[in-house]
Amino acid sequence: SQTIHQWPATLVQPVGSPLSLECTVEGTSNPNLYWYRQAAGRGLQLLFYSVGIGQISSEVPQNLSASRPQDRQFILSSKKLLLSDSGFYLCAWNTKGALGYTFGSGTRLTVV
Amino acid sequence: AQSVTQLGSHVSVSEGALVLLRCNYSSSVPPYLFWYVQYPNQGLQLLLKYTSAATLVKGINGFEAEFKKSETSFHLTKPSAHMSDAAEYFCAVSPYSGGYQKVTFGTGTKLQVIP
Repeated sequence: SQTIHQWPATLVQPVGSPLSLECTVEGTSNPNLYWYRQAAGRGLQLLFYSVGIGQISSEVPQNLSASRPQDRQFILSSKKLLLSDSGFYLCAWNTKGALGYTFGSGTRLTVV
Repeated sequence: AQSVTQLGSHVSVSEGALVLLRCNYSSSVPPYLFWYVQYPNQGLQLLLKYTSAATLVKGINGFEAEFKKSETSFHLTKPSAHMSDAAEYFCAVSPYSGGYQKVTFGTGTKLQVIP
């Protein structure tokens, strides 16, 4: 069966520290992968999506970057965190041509 | 550009009462529409999706939604609320981009079920 894993579940990081959040999908190949951020009262904002290894599209300019070093691995990174980077980060995937996503369980990031 | 507007950030219903969560969309092309549910500190789960096959869409947990083009609406309903329905619900819209999908979400409606 197909599953998506996201870790860590929670993270507290000081301002200026680096960030690495990881997402992996099992049971499928060549998925589309997505990173969303959820801020209170603001819904979900699409940050990055990827249709293949090494192919990253950025939706909004920000302090974050994404990479896809392997087919089913999607990493969200930052060199120096800002307070405004706090939020709930969600990874999602679907197959090519599919409608709707499957979401991971999310990472709650608090920058202090 | 595509967008959705969810009317009411908080909705309260009594257990056993009708659930109605409102969503209006804006789209320059025929849209695909979705409803997702999120329980606290969890990811989102797909409840149902509209893909133009039928205007009345049935989903999981007894929920359904009706696509009304004339009203640009896609409201979510359930005849009888259950305590386990308490969660946040997100309406979403997407064009079809030929392989991948960029989904735009509404700001969410928190449903409270009163015993």
